[in-house]
Amino acid sequence: DTGVSQDPRHKITKRGQNVTFRCDPISEHNRLYWYRQTLGQGPEFLTYFQNEAQLEKSRLLSDRFSAERPKGSFSTLEIQRTEQGDSAMYLCASTLDYYEQYFGPGTRLTVT
Amino acid sequence: AQTVTQSQPEMSVQEAETVTLSCTYDTSESNYYLFWYKQPPSRQMILVIRQEAYKQQNATENRFSVNFQKAAKSFSLKISDSQLGDTAMYFCAFMKQSGGSNYKLTFGKGTLLTVNP
Repeated sequence: DTGVSQDPRHKITKRGQNVTFRCDPISEHNRLYWYRQTLGQGPEFLTYFQNEAQLEKSRLLSDRFSAERPKGSFSTLEIQRTEQGDSAMYLCASTLDYYEQYFGPGTRLTVT
Repeated sequence: AQTVTQSQPEMSVQEAETVTLSCTYDTSESNYYLFWYKQPPSRQMILVIRQEAYKQQNATENRFSVNFQKAAKSFSLKISDSQLGDTAMYFCAFMKQSGGSNYKLTFGKGTLLTVNP
């Protein structure tokens, strides 16, 4: 069990560029979550996958955001036409049940 | 919608002493879980302790215990014999336990705990 991994750990991009983040969950975990954490705030839910199906999206997830989880394994989160307000830590978590979500180290995005 | 409030942005404690972090929440749900997560500096978030709302007995995990007051919607975390490694941001979180909830977490803003030697 190597835990949840995320790549890259840090990303600096210019406003208007597209970025993509990757999350590799713990291998047998069928549930996968994306959260966003801004400075001074707790994580906020963005979207949820059960296997390959995206079952819920938060209102925070504008149409510039898209997430996928092909074959129910790793997941990607893409942000198109980034804005300065997108600067945040993007956290991925996975679980097999609802007792405990296992978090990755996060991807810190800075939009300049 | 559920809300979670942590009214203490920062706290400090001396090593080996006891500290209590506060959390209140608002919900109309009757079935739910409450959690405390720890986020050490530059490290990933890990679960500290979990409480099922239907259980009257307060959860305990080694040096960590909770005081769950369901009627008051209060869920505080007590850390006994504080250690330097307890220095971290602590988040209180709520999870609705019902069909269609998808078991997503709603977090408070966090309390930064510093343990001083």
